[in-house]
Amino acid sequence: KQEVTQIPAALSVPEGENLVLNCSFTDSAIYNLQWFRQDPGKGLTSLLLIQSSQREQTSGRLNASLDKSSGRSTLYIAASQPGDSATYLCAVRLFGGGSQGNLIFGKGTKLSVKP
Amino acid sequence: SQTIHQWPATLVQPVGSPLSLECTVEGTSNPNLYWYRQAAGRGLQLLFYSVGIGQISSEVPQNLSASRPQDRQFILSSKKLLLSDSGFYLCAYLGGSNEKLFFGSGTQLSVL
Repeated sequence: KQEVTQIPAALSVPEGENLVLNCSFTDSAIYNLQWFRQDPGKGLTSLLLIQSSQREQTSGRLNASLDKSSGRSTLYIAASQPGDSATYLCAVRLFGGGSQGNLIFGKGTKLSVKP
Repeated sequence: SQTIHQWPATLVQPVGSPLSLECTVEGTSNPNLYWYRQAAGRGLQLLFYSVGIGQISSEVPQNLSASRPQDRQFILSSKKLLLSDSGFYLCAYLGGSNEKLFFGSGTQLSVL
């Protein structure tokens, strides 16, 4: 059974720092992996999606990497800003049908960037 | 372009009352649709997903139900709400050429 883990559950950093959020999964047979951002009381906003054949994706100050063999993905945020404060979730999409509708979510990392 | 609409944004209902939350998607056809619930301080819990009209898969036994009367419409319902049904409900669909997951803005449901 695929499990997705995000550690730490919460992270507090000073403004301007570069940081890495981690996502690990137990089964390397994934279709893709997606990173989301969620602000309090809001829906999830897609940040980056990495297909299983890709190693990384970049968007602005964000860079997501994928290492299927080790079951890990990281989200790198450069030069963090207070506006980056939010909860970040990763989700793994599996091949084929079955339980969970093919999508397994981590519980998220709550990031706080202090000015 | 593809968009997803979810309403209402907030809802306060008494215990035992019925529920109907609606989600519609525009700009795509035959999407996979999902209903998630997020309790305070907890992760996303998949409630239902649908791969086509009238096709509903339930992940968690509960007093909620879902229906898909049209290709791009997904409805979450209950005949009698429980206190434990309180939470943040999110609708989502898989879309785009790379099959990215898109979420609605959510409904905060408080059952009192």
